[in-house]
Amino acid sequence: DAKTTQPPSMDCAEGRAANLPCNHSTISGNEYVYWYRQIHSQGPQYIIHGLKNNETNEMASLIITEDRKSSTLILPHATLRDTAVYYCIVRVEGWETSGSRLTFGEGTQLTVNP
Amino acid sequence: NAGVTQTPKFRILKIGQSMTLQCAQDMNHNYMYWYRQDPGMGLKLIYYSVGAGITDKGEVPNGYNVSRSTTEDFPLRLELAAPSQTSVYFCASSYSKQAYGYTFGSGTRLTVV
Repeated sequence: DAKTTQPPSMDCAEGRAANLPCNHSTISGNEYVYWYRQIHSQGPQYIIHGLKNNETNEMASLIITEDRKSSTLILPHATLRDTAVYYCIVRVEGWETSGSRLTFGEGTQLTVNP
Repeated sequence: NAGVTQTPKFRILKIGQSMTLQCAQDMNHNYMYWYRQDPGMGLKLIYYSVGAGITDKGEVPNGYNVSRSTTEDFPLRLELAAPSQTSVYFCASSYSKQAYGYTFGSGTRLTVV
């Protein structure tokens, strides 16, 4: 799976858009970009994923650059409840052989301030 | 629906003791996983299962054992607990091999003293 690089922490004002970057310069053609988040002391929660087109759902938008070497998760109107660690994960859509399944790095700690 | 249920939520063990962390899901998911998370770190995969009767090792399996006798349950066994196993343990399940749609439990915080 491709390695990802995320800033360790970010701050955002409540009501403003939070833009979380992720670099994945070694991404392969069949690898997707997934985003999960982990609110303090809880299990991770799936947010969104995409291959090359931009994606949007009720939680967030995912913008993937044309060369697919980086992406940005956008929370359009951040609230205090969005304070969490956000994980960017790059991997193939499924898996067929043994080895690492969904793996989580250290992510970005997003703090939404009132 | 309960989703993924983990018990207990907290536990303190003495070095050398054993215990079983329970995990149950009611979504009829074939795939189940155990992760551990040390303070300030990401999650590391301990064991996973692709269905009843089938389990396999993840990144950090040493010191742990699992079984999967039913689709619903995936217990994690710690034998001879060590301080290095102090961590938060998360169980997860998924319907398919897809990397989205994992459902996680609320975790078990284990301290070994």
